Order: sequence, then structure tokens, then C-alpha cells
Amino acid sequence: EADIYQTPRYLVIGTGKKITLECSQTMGHDKMYWYQQDPGMELHLIHYSYGVNSTEKGDLSSESTVSRIRTEHFPLTLESARPSHTSQYLCASSDTTGTGTDTQYFGPGTRLTVL
Amino acid sequence: KNQVEQSPQSLIILEGKNCTLQCNYTVSPFSNLRWYKQDTGRGPVSLTIMTFSENTKSNGRYTATLDADTKQSSLHITASQLSDSASYICVVSDRGSTLGRLYFGRGTQLTVWP
Repeated sequence: EADIYQTPRYLVIGTGKKITLECSQTMGHDKMYWYQQDPGMELHLIHYSYGVNSTEKGDLSSESTVSRIRTEHFPLTLESARPSHTSQYLCASSDTTGTGTDTQYFGPGTRLTVL
Repeated sequence: KNQVEQSPQSLIILEGKNCTLQCNYTVSPFSNLRWYKQDTGRGPVSLTIMTFSENTKSNGRYTATLDADTKQSSLHITASQLSDSASYICVVSDRGSTLGRLYFGRGTQLTVWP
């Protein structure tokens, strides 16, 4: 069982609200990731981080932002939520093995619904 | 275009039966292929990982195979249990960047009936 946590697990909010999805891991992993997943569809990478003060945008354009002030913490923020942001958001982390076979450990996800 | 295609999209089997899930990919260059299990409402959990030189890897009742020449992989589940009901996702990594970019399939939704 991976030690990576996400809160809240479920969130229903109105349009225009600012939200922050929390992600924490206790494994000391350097790399962390945020994915977006719609039902029956593949995961899409929206943000990743190599380490503290390092953040990059992923393959899928997202209006969200992230920060990495501490190794263990990688929160995702939406300044003004819209119905199009309704989705499942998965956080993951991996260690740097240097072999190209890093395994990503996933959190349980946050199911976001914007009304 | 780098893609990962999985079949079938969904599968229903009876408890105790075996099944095989398929994954075809066009990712190049190729680094490794993983199979993940994702329970409903949970994050994916890694089952197996295979590099170019490996053609089979087992994890309990799960056995994955890889044919790097035809770019195909399969996941065989033996003596299925109710707890095997989940989505099984094939993930291929390339060598194209230090990040080792991952390409995800859409998964096969497996339902095991008693």
C-alpha cells in the first residue's frame, strides 16, 4: 500500500469557486504528478514536479496551477472552477531510480463535480 | 502517433475462470510496459513491469507477457476472484525524455460474477 494521500476524496462546488486539491506522500519521493481521468478514458498528465520549486505543465492543457514548496506536498489549485473541470484528479509520486523504470504510486483520487 | 490500445473494452467472467486481456502499442522508442489495476474510485496499483528484454512476468495469479517485436502485451488472470473486478490499465513508457513519458490505455473493465 502506497503512502500517498489525497483530500478531499469527493468535492461538489459551484461555478466560480476557488478550490485546492491536496496531495501528500510520506515516501520521500522526488517526483510528483497530477493526472485527470474521465470515466472510461485514459489518464492525462496535467502537471508534474521533479522536486522542490520545480513544476512543469503536462500533456493536457489545464487551467489549474500547482506548487511544490515541500517534498511531500503537491497541491493543485483551480482559481475559478467551471463545469468543464468536473473530473477525477489523481496524484502520484515516484522515486528516481535512474533506470527508467520508476514506478508511480497513486493516491485514491479526488472526484470533483462543478455545478 | 504514440498510442496504447486495449481490448476488450469490458469483460464479464464467472468466478474461478481464467481470462486474458490484450494491449497493443505504437510507442517508440520503447522503455517498459506496466499493467496497473484500478479499483472503482481508487488510484491505479502496479501489478507488473516488463522491459524490452523480458517477455513474461508473474505476480501471483497475474501473468503478463510482452512481444516487443509485434508490440503486443497480454495480462492473463488465473482462477479469477470477485476481488479481481476492476479496470486493468496498460501503460507504456518511452525513452524520449528524462521523465520517461507514460502512455496510458483506456483500460479493460473486468467484472467477475459469483
